Amino acid sequence: ETGVTQTPRHLVMGMTNKKSLKCEQHLGHNAMYWYKQSAKKPLELMFVYSLEERVENNSVPSRFSPECPNSSHLFLHLHTLQPEDSALYLCASSQDYGRAHEQYFGPGTRLTVT
Amino acid sequence: EDQVTQSPEALRLQEGESSSLNCSYTVSGLRGLFWYRQDPGKGPEFLFTLYSAGEEKEKERLKATLTKKESFLHITAPKPEDSATYLCAVQGLEKLVFGQGTRLTINP
Repeated sequence: ETGVTQTPRHLVMGMTNKKSLKCEQHLGHNAMYWYKQSAKKPLELMFVYSLEERVENNSVPSRFSPECPNSSHLFLHLHTLQPEDSALYLCASSQDYGRAHEQYFGPGTRLTVT
Repeated sequence: EDQVTQSPEALRLQEGESSSLNCSYTVSGLRGLFWYRQDPGKGPEFLFTLYSAGEEKEKERLKATLTKKESFLHITAPKPEDSATYLCAVQGLEKLVFGQGTRLTINP
């Protein structure tokens, strides 16, 4: 148990559906992250929030929409996804953004787009 | 652009057979190098942070070392429960960049 929880753990959705992924951290950290992990590819950073403000958006398609209502919660809203978006989506948190603080990861949401 | 390359891509060892995993990197202004362990279907688990060349850290059968161009994760007398994918990541002036990982299998 790392102190970072994610729900749901598994999600199957059609290309026209709208769904949301939820992440919660119980570590008192100030930065939260969304990563995409596809088979045989390095983790891809999608979004970074520091003190509830978005500080990075790495050319992610607009069908992915993040939301950070407070420093403990992070959402990833999904709509009109493509089959190539099927992957493991990981949430992480760290003490602060931009420094050499280790990131703690949640268990991930396995997303399948049909 | 910051880059991380891990080798080998996969490694199979017998229980008790020591070996090393390599992480080569190029980064603008290294702030830290991280090692993670990831089990199938789970998120990465933090192992070590190294900050400067010459630094070493140990935890049970694992020892991480750092030079100006690469890091090694040495595994001494591994057990089957050490089987996992090991990820290396570097924090430069911008974002944390991950390597593609080394998938380690320890056969009993």
